[in-house]
Amino acid sequence: GQQVMQIPQYQHVQEGEDFTTYCNSSTTLSNIQWYKQRPGGHPVFLIQLVKSGEVKKQKRLTFQFGEAKKNSSLHITATQTTDVGTYFCAGTNTNAGKSTFGDGTTLTVKP
Amino acid sequence: NAGVTQTPKFQVLKTGQSMTLQCAQDMNHEYMSWYRQDPGMGLRLIHYSVGAGITDQGEVPNGYNVSRSTTEDFPLRLLSAAPSQTSVYFCASRRTGIGNQPQHFGDGTRLSIL
Repeated sequence: GQQVMQIPQYQHVQEGEDFTTYCNSSTTLSNIQWYKQRPGGHPVFLIQLVKSGEVKKQKRLTFQFGEAKKNSSLHITATQTTDVGTYFCAGTNTNAGKSTFGDGTTLTVKP
Repeated sequence: NAGVTQTPKFQVLKTGQSMTLQCAQDMNHEYMSWYRQDPGMGLRLIHYSVGAGITDQGEVPNGYNVSRSTTEDFPLRLLSAAPSQTSVYFCASRRTGIGNQPQHFGDGTRLSIL
């Protein structure tokens, strides 16, 4: 079945440093979504990427979808303590299919 | 607009007991799903439904049953609880069964099996 791998599992940064998490799928994806889960909370949708090579930005967050639509990344510039949480990618390989979540990257930010 | 509501928020069971986790959404979403989240293992799909009367298995369906008699409700039943089912359970919904829409998650049920 479809597998979605996400690295790293944990990342500890000093406030102001940059952060990147990577997502790789074993199959070509029709779209990829990114979610953020604060400690003790539930996943919250951030963004969806659909097109090959697509890049989207949300303030300090930059999301990319690979040319082959098998990998994606989330980059945070100048992290803040409010960025703390676990970031998940979720890939769908057909428009009518289920989404498979990566295992997430847990970000901690030291003030 | 409550979104996705899960009850209870916390539950402790003894091995062998059965129980039902409730999930309701008020957004008229066709697609609903149940995930379990274990430390370091992300979200694993248990069962899902693309509409009332239709359910299907996800990655880890064993030990769980679901039904979808109405659009709003999607209960998850544990038939005979086992310690391996200790986890945080999330219910989610999206507008249709097509996978290009965001999922909305409930607050979760934290379940411990002794």
